[in-house]
Amino acid sequence: NAGVTQTPKFQVLKTGQSMTLQCAQDMNHNSMYWYRQDPGMGLRLIYYSASEGTTDKGEVPNGYNVSRLNKREFSLRLESAAPSQTSVYFCASSEERGAWGYTFGSGTRLTVV
Amino acid sequence: DAKTTQPTSMDCAEGRAANLPCNHSTISGNEYVYWYRQIHSQGPQYIIHGLKNNETNEMASLIITEDRKSSTLILPHATLRDTAVYYCIVSDAGNMLTFGGGTRLMVKP
Repeated sequence: NAGVTQTPKFQVLKTGQSMTLQCAQDMNHNSMYWYRQDPGMGLRLIYYSASEGTTDKGEVPNGYNVSRLNKREFSLRLESAAPSQTSVYFCASSEERGAWGYTFGSGTRLTVV
Repeated sequence: DAKTTQPTSMDCAEGRAANLPCNHSTISGNEYVYWYRQIHSQGPQYIIHGLKNNETNEMASLIITEDRKSSTLILPHATLRDTAVYYCIVSDAGNMLTFGGGTRLMVKP
């Protein structure tokens, strides 16, 4: 089925460890996004990529880096994980930069101990 | 500052229409109203959007008041699978989605 695929689905890290969250979409969308959702809260934008080759900071970029590897893939890297980064991470894509028609992945549940 | 105000939670009987209100009194002329929902633990799902005219699709209807300061999302025949958090978002066409707290809709048998 067409959509957004995120890996891994679950991850436990120790404080200070690094990891990369992977995201791929097969809808030929130009724009991709990374959000985080803390318990009981709405989603907050970490980084986005309006088109291949560009990335920009969102609302909460500190502690994260991103790479738009190609049109399909957009990865999120935690260089030195902290307990405050315990969250559910969602990747999304849309045809163009903007607020409608986002397709979200199923999320990565990350716990930092 | 929040651009939208939604009730924290609502209940609806299965089979009845669910009417979810949203206030956006500071909306500007080029901003759209978008609705997304998030079923437990899943990624949000796009429902519908509109500028000033009422809109309908296979999932829902969106009614926007003439002054555009409020809107209502209508699920015509709610089912248990419509239990979710519903987000009303105001944004212009080029900006990102910014999520608030949303309305937790509980559809009861």
